[in-house]
Amino acid sequence: GESVGLHLPTLSVQEGDNSIINCAYSNSASDYFIWYKQESGKGPQFIIDIRSNMDKRQGQRVTVLLNKTVKHLSLQIAATQPGDSAVYFCAEKRSTGRRALTFGSGTRLQVQP
Amino acid sequence: GAVVSQHPSWVICKSGTSVKIECRSLDFQATTMFWYRQFPKQSLMLMATSNEGSKATYEQGVEKDKFLINHASLTLSTLTVTSAHPEDSSFYICSASKELSTDTQYFGPGTRLTVL
Repeated sequence: GESVGLHLPTLSVQEGDNSIINCAYSNSASDYFIWYKQESGKGPQFIIDIRSNMDKRQGQRVTVLLNKTVKHLSLQIAATQPGDSAVYFCAEKRSTGRRALTFGSGTRLQVQP
Repeated sequence: GAVVSQHPSWVICKSGTSVKIECRSLDFQATTMFWYRQFPKQSLMLMATSNEGSKATYEQGVEKDKFLINHASLTLSTLTVTSAHPEDSSFYICSASKELSTDTQYFGPGTRLTVL
């Protein structure tokens, strides 16, 4: 079936360390990928996105890597801070058809002080 | 920026009653709005896609007569949960997209619905 899933449901890191959150997708037709951060009781917050014609994109303290060969997406957070603690979702959009997003199952990031 | 608001932020209602949730794009016109539902510790599941002035497109398994969606203007979409039951208790989140040519979606803060 078509799905977007995550390898690790919970990731615990020490403050200051780098974090890597992974996501696998199965729809080869997807051409747009986004990472969202969701804090408890709030809506998703956009972090970074990437299109399928790229394999890497950097933002402030975050980097998204896309490996289309193995249908893998990752989010790297540098110098993780307590404020980064949240659930992170990857989402994909197909290149054709509907514009809605398909969300992965989420990874909870816990930053230990 | 691109701000999306939802009202109310939370609501508690009795079983059998109807509840309306509003989604507004505050500083842009949204050609398309999306409604998602999120159960505790789960991911967001798309319920329906609505374009201004046309009928919403519902995902498989989502009852259109139970979850009424109205997108009467470019800044407002409403979701009405009719004859709500406890199993409808969930976190409802909307998102809005500015133009048909763009993929970016801006999410609202969500509405927590509790049906007693």
